[in-house]
Amino acid sequence: AQKITQTQPGMFVQEKEAVTLDCTYDTSDPSYGLFWYKQPSSGEMIFLIYQGSYDQQNATEGRYSLNFQKARKSANLVISASQLGDSAMYFCAMRPRASKIIFGSGTRLSIRP
Amino acid sequence: NAGVTQTPKFQVLKTGQSMTLQCAQDMNHEYMSWYRQDPGMGLRLIHYSVGAGITDQGEVPNGYNVSRSTTEDFPLRLLSAAPSQTSVYFCASSYSLENTEAFFGQGTRLTVV
Repeated sequence: AQKITQTQPGMFVQEKEAVTLDCTYDTSDPSYGLFWYKQPSSGEMIFLIYQGSYDQQNATEGRYSLNFQKARKSANLVISASQLGDSAMYFCAMRPRASKIIFGSGTRLSIRP
Repeated sequence: NAGVTQTPKFQVLKTGQSMTLQCAQDMNHEYMSWYRQDPGMGLRLIHYSVGAGITDQGEVPNGYNVSRSTTEDFPLRLLSAAPSQTSVYFCASSYSLENTEAFFGQGTRLTVV
């Protein structure tokens, strides 16, 4: 069965600190993609970062990086130097090849000034 | 470039009424899908399509129908609205069946009374 698990319903982090949002996944497909999305209070879904299962290096996009540990089936999002605007819901998602995209239940991140 | 357009943005229905949520994309994307998001929860897949004329069920398809007569459009039909279908509905599309991110519409907030 294909499944995405986010075990942190909510997190509080001090501004300017780094934060790691956990994500584990389960799939039997050897080829898949992993994604992170941000959903601010306004409700839109914003794509942050992508990691392919065959990528040798961890993906990075500005302050976002994806800590991909294939053997452990984990794809944690790391946000460096957090900002107040990072307060939002964060969703991890997975897409096995040529198939549907499934999402985790999300983590609500709150940045304290 | 409009991206993914959902209409309407808000809708109130009475129990038993039917309606169609519209979704259109102008990016020539093969893959389109519908999700529902209930308060404090992640996105659950209702139906998806991997190309014109091809649709398949997600994890919560009951009470919803879809069709994909063109590449651009992927309407979601509520056959007989129930209060349990009160939710925010998102349409998403992606370029191919391979590991590319999904682009989301702005969402439709549906209330069934």
